[in-house]
Amino acid sequence: GENVGLHLPTLSVQEGDNSIINCAYSNSASDYFIWYKQESGKGPQFIIDIRSNMDKRQGQRVTVLLNKTVKHLSLQIAATQPGDSAVYFCAETVVNAGNMLTFGGGTRLMVKP
Amino acid sequence: DTAVSQTPKYLVTQMGNDKSIKCEQNLGHDTMYWYKQDSKKFLKIMFSYNNKELIINETVPNRFSPKSPDKAHLNLHINSLELGDSAVYFCASSQDWGSEQYFGPGTRLTVT
Repeated sequence: GENVGLHLPTLSVQEGDNSIINCAYSNSASDYFIWYKQESGKGPQFIIDIRSNMDKRQGQRVTVLLNKTVKHLSLQIAATQPGDSAVYFCAETVVNAGNMLTFGGGTRLMVKP
Repeated sequence: DTAVSQTPKYLVTQMGNDKSIKCEQNLGHDTMYWYKQDSKKFLKIMFSYNNKELIINETVPNRFSPKSPDKAHLNLHINSLELGDSAVYFCASSQDWGSEQYFGPGTRLTVT
């Protein structure tokens, strides 16, 4: 499944499928981007980050893609599991300006068993 | 083992009161932050602080002030609480201004 920005704030996928969560960021000067996962009642948890000198970075089951031309960030989760159900936020910042994160509106990922 | 901790977890108070939320990190980080998350889950930075500089989001009312007794703590003081201050407040820390941020569990503030 694929979610496009804030128009589809909830993404529902079947367990085992791949998930793609998209984010449009606003500041062309941003040089550091992060994806966070937030479970109910908890604080945001770091998933993966990418700096502006890269366009792709892979972690364990997750990949972040950065397209600076159109100011677009995506998070791909492979073989989505029920434990992946949460709200996902993208965040951008200009590191030398105090690393003050600007968060996107969030996407709720629901994984159906 | 908790990396970033906050107290209290829940805070219910009346309009006009002054309250504080405490934050401690045991990661040895140099930089700490405060964020506010509203009822629609929108997260907004309030402050970024290390031992050299405090950066304030210009939209934050001056009723809010961070105070750091030492490098491991950044407490949030709020004067003359208003209904609109009701939210979940998150503390975070990072090694420096170029590193990933670790978030605390949040403090749910309810102003009645």
